[in-house]
Amino acid sequence: AQRVTQPEKLLSVFKGAPVELKCNYSYSGSPELFWYVQYSRQRLQLLLRHISRESIKGFTADLNKGETSFHLKKPFAQEEDSAMYYCALSPNTGGFKTIFGAGTRLFVKA
Amino acid sequence: DTGVSQNPRHKITKRGQNVTFRCDPISEHNRLYWYRQTLGQGPEFLTYFQNEAQLEKSRLLSDRFSAERPKGSFSTLEIQRTEQGDSAMYLCASSSSGVSYEQYFGPGTRLTVT
Repeated sequence: AQRVTQPEKLLSVFKGAPVELKCNYSYSGSPELFWYVQYSRQRLQLLLRHISRESIKGFTADLNKGETSFHLKKPFAQEEDSAMYYCALSPNTGGFKTIFGAGTRLFVKA
Repeated sequence: DTGVSQNPRHKITKRGQNVTFRCDPISEHNRLYWYRQTLGQGPEFLTYFQNEAQLEKSRLLSDRFSAERPKGSFSTLEIQRTEQGDSAMYLCASSSSGVSYEQYFGPGTRLTVT
């Protein structure tokens, strides 16, 4: 079955501390992985996707096929990073159906 | 173009009534998606259109739900004989074609069934 698991509902860190939001997936093929973010009172938006290998707003995510993980990392958290983060998976066959995890709320304390 | 828009933003209805939501995607996007999101959960895929063709529909979607995209532009999602369990945020997203796509989400329509 296709599934995305984000084990932490809430992650609270201090400003300047490293942050890692965990994401594990279950899929038989080679999916495309994404991180979406929703800031307060804003709509859901794409943060990054694994094939682009970009660093967006200081965040990076590496796809580990052996561990079926796609953890999101940032070395120094900022207060403006506080938001809801969703890991998502799409089949690598055109990717129409996107499966989202339940989300992790990141709270960065001053 | 200001992005994906959805109307209404909020809808309160009584159980058993029918409701219809509208989504206007970004004009050049030929793919359109509907999701449902309940409290504490991520968006759950409902259905997907490429132009006017509905290509995929979740098995979780009951027969009370129907979606259309008659001219390949805006889309409507109708829920017949609403139930309290239908209370949720209904999200629409659109994307362009391509090997790797980015979905642009609308603000959502919050449905409350009393």
